[in-house]
Amino acid sequence: KQEVTQIPAALSVPEGENLVLNCSFTDSAIYNLQWFRQDPGKGLTSLLLIQSSQREQTSGRLNASLDKSSGRSTLYIAASQPGDSATYLCAVRGTLGGNNRKLIWGLGTSLAVNP
Amino acid sequence: DAGVIQSPRHEVTEMGQEVTLRCKPISGHDYLFWYRQTMMRGLELLIYFNNNVPIDDSGMPEDRFSAKMPNASFSTLKIQPSEPRDSAVYFCASSFGADTQYFGPGTRLTVL
Repeated sequence: KQEVTQIPAALSVPEGENLVLNCSFTDSAIYNLQWFRQDPGKGLTSLLLIQSSQREQTSGRLNASLDKSSGRSTLYIAASQPGDSATYLCAVRGTLGGNNRKLIWGLGTSLAVNP
Repeated sequence: DAGVIQSPRHEVTEMGQEVTLRCKPISGHDYLFWYRQTMMRGLELLIYFNNNVPIDDSGMPEDRFSAKMPNASFSTLKIQPSEPRDSAVYFCASSFGADTQYFGPGTRLTVL
């Protein structure tokens, strides 16, 4: 059974710092991995999606890497800003079933960037 | 497009009452997902539909929960009878073929 873990559960950093969020999964047979952002009282917004054949994806100040063999992904945020404060969740999609769209979620890392 | 629309945004009800949550997916999307989020368990997939057909309902906690998608632009999640342990934020999300899911703002349900 796939399990997704995110460490740390919470993180507080000063503005401008580069930071790394971690996501680990127990079953390396994944189709893809996604990083989402959730602001308080709001829904989730997809940030980056990495297919199983890819090693990393980049969008602006965000870079996500994937190492299937070790069951790990990292989300790197460069030059953090107060507007980056949110909860970041990772989710993996398994390979079983052609129509399988089920995502397994981590509990998230709550990030606070202090001015 | 207005994005995924959910109603109501907040619902407070008493134990034993019927609760109906509503979702309008993004036009043209062929997948619709219902999730429940709690502090202890995080996000859990309850059920998802493809072209209005339920594909996987293994996450539906028990018979008190039911979901329907009568057409491509509307879905409901019903809890009858509701219990205090059903208190959570319920999200609806939709996607088109590709994996990126677009989430609604959620319905915060409180069962007293």
